Order: sequence, then structure tokens, then C-alpha cells
Amino acid sequence: IAGITQAPTSQILAAGRRMTLRCTQDMRHNAMYWYRQDLGLGLRLIHYSNTAGTTGKGEVPDGYSVSRANTDDFPLTLASAVPSQTSVYFCASTPRASGGHNEQFFGPGTRLTVL
Amino acid sequence: GQNIDQPTEMTATEGAIVQINCTYQTSGFNGLFWYQQHAGEAPTFLSYNVLDGLEEKGRFSSFLSRSKGYSYLLLKELQMKDSASYLCGVMDSNYQLIWGAGTKLIIKP
Repeated sequence: IAGITQAPTSQILAAGRRMTLRCTQDMRHNAMYWYRQDLGLGLRLIHYSNTAGTTGKGEVPDGYSVSRANTDDFPLTLASAVPSQTSVYFCASTPRASGGHNEQFFGPGTRLTVL
Repeated sequence: GQNIDQPTEMTATEGAIVQINCTYQTSGFNGLFWYQQHAGEAPTFLSYNVLDGLEEKGRFSSFLSRSKGYSYLLLKELQMKDSASYLCGVMDSNYQLIWGAGTKLIIKP
């Protein structure tokens, strides 16, 4: 692994089903983020984690949950998917949670369709 | 509330110069980022500004005026591969990145 990976690449899901999107980074970054990207709305933060063992809510957390059991992995779970959760989901990481020039590195994204 | 504004779409000619503007209103300011995103791909980092003035990196430059809540990304000698969306993001007082909706740049031969 080099950088940050996400799985699956794409998924079609029936409404009401549970789904976990996976995100793994091998850069030993402390902070990780989940965004959704919808046409005309840009990137919106769902949940974040400043360090392993801690998580926080972003702008649009409802219907999603996350965990951060270790530094490398940050899965995003949809407990009961709804069509409004159809989106492209990006995972990102940064070396630290705060500080100035703290660029975010993005995974390749997961395209999720909920029918 | 927090708000980042940038044009939805711009068109430019290969070899020309284009300026993409971004205005922002956020709770605090800890820097402004520009990212490039090709269709179907992940955003990739272009530039970071935290102090007023111009940062130049090859064909790309980024300018910041904190007093005006304004930034622009300047792309020179445009190439077809520059066709992409350009995302403006501002880091607020909590070190969270607030993103604009992105500007889709179309380059014509």
C-alpha cells in the first residue's frame, strides 16, 4: 500500500441495507476524515478523527458512524442506507489534526448508489 | 455561517491565462488551500496560502488577501490537461477545512 486506499471502488446498495466503506492509510497520519461530494455542493465533512481512539462529527454526520481503533484504518458505516446517501465518498488524512500547512491527502473515492 | 464562493464554470483557451476567484467568510482563518480534481479522480493539492501575497509554483500561482476574504488561483500557459475542477478550501479556527463547490475549468484548443 502506498498512501491512502478505499474500498469498494463503487457499490450499488438497496435502501435499508447496512454498508461499511473502508479506508486505510500507511503514512502514519494522525488525523483522518470522511467527506461526501455531491454535484454543486462540494466536499462536506461527515466525520473526522484527530487521532486513534477519538472521533468527531462534521457538517453532515446523520446516518453515518465511524470508528478509529488504530492509526491506519477509519471505516465509515451507513447503518440503514437511504437514497439521499447516494454520493461519492472520499477519505482523507493529514499528518496532524492542527497546525498551518496541513494538506489533506485523499483516497481515490467510493461511488455509492442507494436505490 | 461559513461560506466559500467560487464560480461554477469557466472556459479558457489553450496557451492563455485564467484566474479563478474564491471569496470566503469563515469562523477564523488558518490558511487557504487550492486543490485540483480531474473528473472521476481524487482532489490533489496545488497550493497553500496563510499570509497575504502571491505564492508562485511553476505555471500556477495563488494569491491571498485576508482583509478582503479573497483568493485567486492563476494558471498560465494553459494546457489541455488543466481541464479539471479547482477547489478552494479554507481552514477555520478549529482546523477544519471548509470547501467551496469547485470551479470546473474547460480548456478549448
